[in-house]
Amino acid sequence: SQQGEEDPQALSIQEGENATMNCSYKTSINNLQWYRQNSGRGLVHLILIRSNEREKHSGRLRVTLDTSKKSSSLLITASRAADTASYFCATAGAGSYQLTFGKGTKLSVIP
Amino acid sequence: DGGITQSPKYLFRKEGQNVTLSCEQNLNHDAMYWYRQDPGQGLRLIYYSQIVNDFQKGDIAEGYSVSREKKESFPLTVTSAQKNPTAFYLCASSMSGGIDNYGYTFGSGTRLTVV
Repeated sequence: SQQGEEDPQALSIQEGENATMNCSYKTSINNLQWYRQNSGRGLVHLILIRSNEREKHSGRLRVTLDTSKKSSSLLITASRAADTASYFCATAGAGSYQLTFGKGTKLSVIP
Repeated sequence: DGGITQSPKYLFRKEGQNVTLSCEQNLNHDAMYWYRQDPGQGLRLIYYSQIVNDFQKGDIAEGYSVSREKKESFPLTVTSAQKNPTAFYLCASSMSGGIDNYGYTFGSGTRLTVV
């Protein structure tokens, strides 16, 4: 079953602006991950945040996690046209090898 | 370069046919997974395998079958029992216990169309 739910479903911004995507989930997790998918391609792992972490950075990416609200956000700063893609959050339960993916946010960055 | 190779990139299936999608990895990962993605949708788990000669059903296993005879290979067969097989199929792998640290590595996908 799909646990993660991204919001918004689609987002269109100008190059140089920041993009924020949100993810909500329903049950306890061990970690939460964000992936990017370019059109017609496989997914690429971006960043992983564990349940005992609140914030994590990787380059222009910033992820936050609020386990009390069962939500996470992905911020992409200074967006580029190359950031145009779909972004998915995925959750892993304790001791589980399986990831459960949401439906994704489609980001369009206009040059 | 290490990675996951899915083949073919495009596959056409006639009604009533079984087809097999290939997935090979040279990452020395123990766990492998098959997901199905429909347009505008997220990924749904079909089957997964944590170790050679063992695999488990995911959320939508009906009409599909898998084998895991080698660590590197996890082929997916879409049988004639799968009534709506047109979709994008993604294979992934992860290190044993790596789900806590590294996440999944995905192949580039196979697009299956029923003709």
